[in-house]
Formats: sequence, C-alpha cells, structure tokens
Amino acid sequence: SAVISQKPSRDICQRGTSLTIQCQVDSQVTMMFWYRQQPGQSLTLIATANQGSEATYESGFVIDKFPISRPNLTFSTLTVSNMSPEDSSIYLCSVTPGGTNYGYTFGSGTRLTVV
Amino acid sequence: DAKTTQPPSMDCAEGRAANLPCNHSTISGNEYVYWYRQIHSQGPQYIIHGLKNNETNEMASLIITEDRKSSTLILPHATLRDTAVYYCIVRVGWGNTPLVFGKGTRLSVIA
Repeated sequence: SAVISQKPSRDICQRGTSLTIQCQVDSQVTMMFWYRQQPGQSLTLIATANQGSEATYESGFVIDKFPISRPNLTFSTLTVSNMSPEDSSIYLCSVTPGGTNYGYTFGSGTRLTVV
Repeated sequence: DAKTTQPPSMDCAEGRAANLPCNHSTISGNEYVYWYRQIHSQGPQYIIHGLKNNETNEMASLIITEDRKSSTLILPHATLRDTAVYYCIVRVGWGNTPLVFGKGTRLSVIA
C-alpha cells in the first residue's frame, strides 16, 4: 500500500497566521483527501484534491480558509488560513488504495494548536 | 453509503476476544463492510472488509449476518495496543471517493 509522509507532525501557531501542511506519497495517486478531526470528534472531510483541477470542498469548508494545492500525482498541501483557536484540530490527508486490498492510507496527522 | 450504528464505547479484558458490533440495516447488495481503527493521535488504519462471507486476516475476523444487516469485528486476543476507536464503514467498493466516518466505538483494553 502507499506510504504517506505528512509534515509538520504538530505546530503551535498564533491566531491570524497561516500554516501549510504537506503530504508526500511514495507512489502516484489520482485522488487525495483532506480531513479535520476536532478534539474528541470523528474525522470530517474537508475536500478532495484531484491533480490538475480545483479541489472540491465539502459543505462548511471554503477555499479562502483552506486553500489546497495538488501540483502533481504524489504531493498536496493544505493551508489553514487566518487561524483562530477554533481551528485547533488534527488535520490528516488520505489516498485511495488504487485497486489493491490494503484499504485507504492515511498520513500520521498534523496536530495544530492555535493560541 | 449506508448508515451504520455502533456503540460509543466498550471495554475488554486483555487476552480475551473483543467483539465489536455494527448495525447497517439499510445496506444495499453492492455495498461492502469496512473496518478501520484509529489509535490515539495516529491516522486511521485499515483492518478488514467483506461483502457477505466471513473474512479473516492476521489482524481480525469479520462476521456478517446472513441478511447483511449487521456485522461483528472480532479481535481474538485483545492486547493493550488494540485500545483505539474502531470505525465501521459501509460503501460501494474501493473507488475514488473518500471514506465517510461515523462516530465509531472506543474500545478500551484493560489489563
């Protein structure tokens, strides 16, 4: 199955600033997905990133707040912009199994704390 | 994707079998049952999946009822490392669509 390297693993940021999270995959994948996990909650899908096109955002998430780049088939970034304490969460990326039986692969997550 | 219902939490003694139930009464004929788990502060990890037959791998067994309206994930000899949130997800095949997570079951394995 694919292996994802997600960076940074954690960060503490000042409100009003932005943080860019990176996910690097060791193989080419068509779709990448970004999730948010608020404290004590389940995972919520933010957006789907398809290489060569604009990301598709879920209800409640907008591009100005969570811009996503997908420059090639192995890399994507998610930026959390103009942060507030409510953005404190774990952010995760995920890729599809690509026809294998190993299931979706997830990055190790970025634990973001906004102060 | 069909909706699933799981108990919010369960306890299991170390070394005993952990049986995690999942109800999916609206499952359709082409939908699979998938199980993932999330150990604290890590990304979710695939465990097992099945369509209608019981399945077993090195991690767990999946028992699906004959009418497919419910299933049980079995960890045969639970260890402290199995303490995690377990998610039951019903969906059509692998595809290129994202996983949708419910609230899952928080399993605590107790020494």
